[in-house]
Amino acid sequence: NAGVTQTPKFQVLKTGQSMTLQCAQDMNHNSMYWYRQDPGMGLRLIYYSASEGTTDKGEVPNGYNVSRLNKREFSLRLESAAPSQTSVYFCASSEDLGAGANVLTFGAGSRLTVL
Amino acid sequence: AQSVTQLDSQVPVFEEAPVELRCNYSSSVSVYLFWYVQYPNQGLQLLLKYLSGSTLVESINGFEAEFNKSQTSFHLRKPSVHISDTAEYFCAVSSSGGSNYKLTFGKGTLLTVNP
Repeated sequence: NAGVTQTPKFQVLKTGQSMTLQCAQDMNHNSMYWYRQDPGMGLRLIYYSASEGTTDKGEVPNGYNVSRLNKREFSLRLESAAPSQTSVYFCASSEDLGAGANVLTFGAGSRLTVL
Repeated sequence: AQSVTQLDSQVPVFEEAPVELRCNYSSSVSVYLFWYVQYPNQGLQLLLKYLSGSTLVESINGFEAEFNKSQTSFHLRKPSVHISDTAEYFCAVSSSGGSNYKLTFGKGTLLTVNP
């Protein structure tokens, strides 16, 4: 089982460039998430998708867009990258165990540097 | 609103020593509690969780955590650590009965086990 697969693992962008982070899960999970991790800040939710066809903003959505392409795939797009978006990005997925009880399975992360 | 405070950002210990990683939370409703672990250059993975029932929960690799409602704490303990336990540990809380997607992470505690 591959679990949650993210691509690319590393990316360097210049300010103003755009890019898409890809995420796919093979566990038939309904819910998918994008987090960013910054030193001393823990993980902060950018966007999530409760099910295919739905997406919602998390704690820090500004500067990002998402697409839930199908049940397996959930992409994160930076339309005009800024240095403040330098971070490690994690995709995660979960079953729906009941309100609040979801256990997340994370991908290995994508390290993005914006110059 | 809910929040999580991990009181120590770094905890250095010697191999075979006991360790406690502290986590306090605040929430106006009943909660579910989680500890996730992140080994170097990897994504997060679930270590243990408290959903209901016994307030003492254990992981397969010797960690345990106790839910203390009166002190709003969920501290993680291990009686004897190994070099391989070196990792960053994140406490997380969600509200039972609330949104499935409102999982709040602490800022993490870096556990370094020295020989």
